Amino acid sequence: GIQVEQSPPDLILQEGANSTLRCNFSDSVNNLQWFHQNPWGQLINLFYIPSGTKQNGRLSATTVATERYSLLYISSSQTTDSGVYFCAAESYSGAGSYQLTFGKGTKLSVIP
Amino acid sequence: DTAVSQTPKYLVTQMGNDKSIKCEQNLGHDTMYWYKQDSKKFLKIMFSYNNKELIINETVPNRFSPKSPDKAHLNLHINSLELGDSAVYFCASSQEGLAGGLNEQFFGPGTRLTVL
Repeated sequence: GIQVEQSPPDLILQEGANSTLRCNFSDSVNNLQWFHQNPWGQLINLFYIPSGTKQNGRLSATTVATERYSLLYISSSQTTDSGVYFCAAESYSGAGSYQLTFGKGTKLSVIP
Repeated sequence: DTAVSQTPKYLVTQMGNDKSIKCEQNLGHDTMYWYKQDSKKFLKIMFSYNNKELIINETVPNRFSPKSPDKAHLNLHINSLELGDSAVYFCASSQEGLAGGLNEQFFGPGTRLTVL
């Protein structure tokens, strides 16, 4: 099956700093999603981005499907950005079905 | 209104028991899912289900079974619970994508299952 790797595994930022999280996938994907799991465990979808760039406030994401990677940019980080960021790649698994494979996540800690 | 809801939020039970977790979505989505998040925070899909097909991850023990009374509900039944079943279980839903692919997924708040 498809492999999804995220880097870095852990990241500590001073409040106000910018960061880039990376997601590499081993094969062609149908789509890619970014999620944020907050410290209370809630999973929130951030971007649904098969290709190109999308922006939502201080967050933006870029997927380059031909080169098999996606990037999540966080600008002017805030303590509320803390948590784990997952990317998930959607791939065709045969017989008309699709599956979503998650990376292991990047744990972000933003300190005041 | 909560888009995807799960009950209970916490479930503590003894080994060997049978338990169920309920999931409801009010988004009008076609497809629902169950995911397991282990103690290392790794998320893995267990099932996906729409009104046409149940797709089971081959690594899921047959003690786990999804039951869908209608399009808005997908409950998870677990028989003969084991210590290793302790995890957080997330329900999710999505609209069936164009050309049959998945679409944007929306997650419930999770159910933390602890097996003693």
